[in-house]
Amino acid sequence: DAGVTQSPTHLIKTRGQQVTLRCSPKSGHDTVSWYQQALGQGPQFIFQYYEEEERQRGNFPDRFSGHQFPNYSSELNVNALLLGDSALYLCASSLGSILSTDTQYFGPGTRLTVL
Amino acid sequence: GDSVTQMEGPVTLSEEAFLTINCTYTATGYPSLFWYVQYPGEGLQLLLKATKADDKGSNKGFEATYRKETTSFHLEKGSVQVSDSAVYFCALRVAAGANSKLTFGKGITLSVRP
Repeated sequence: DAGVTQSPTHLIKTRGQQVTLRCSPKSGHDTVSWYQQALGQGPQFIFQYYEEEERQRGNFPDRFSGHQFPNYSSELNVNALLLGDSALYLCASSLGSILSTDTQYFGPGTRLTVL
Repeated sequence: GDSVTQMEGPVTLSEEAFLTINCTYTATGYPSLFWYVQYPGEGLQLLLKATKADDKGSNKGFEATYRKETTSFHLEKGSVQVSDSAVYFCALRVAAGANSKLTFGKGITLSVRP
């Protein structure tokens, strides 16, 4: 049973560029959450997708957008990259039912470096 | 808003030493509490959790008890191993259901020397 997978593993971009990160959830999961983990910090919630719609959003600017596909995989897009966007981007999957007592399972992350 | 505060690190211990990592929280509701571990080069793994006051979560020799009166969820292990070297994050989730967002502390790096 494959867990949460993310691609690419590492990415280097320059300021002003755009980037797309990808995530495939754990088998059986229908909800994907994205987190940003700056160096030396804990992960911060960006947003969550369920049934192909954004369900929750953290305190991130509109430069951060996402998408969820019918197979539950997800993309995170960041436009007009800033140096401060350099971080590890983590994807987490879970069951979307509010009755679920399961937890979120994390992928290995994508390390984004903005030069 | 909701927040998690962890003790300052890093922490360096000798093998078989006793470990305590402090975690306190502020939340508007009745949160579930978690400890996640991040090994070098890997993503976060759930270590243990507790969903209501006085619950004790345990896994791999680690334990943490949900203390509502002190708003704390301290992580303990009686005898650490070199393989426990990692970054440990305390986190909370306020709303019901696994789909609700997690709020993390800053994390603390644990190094265990032989």
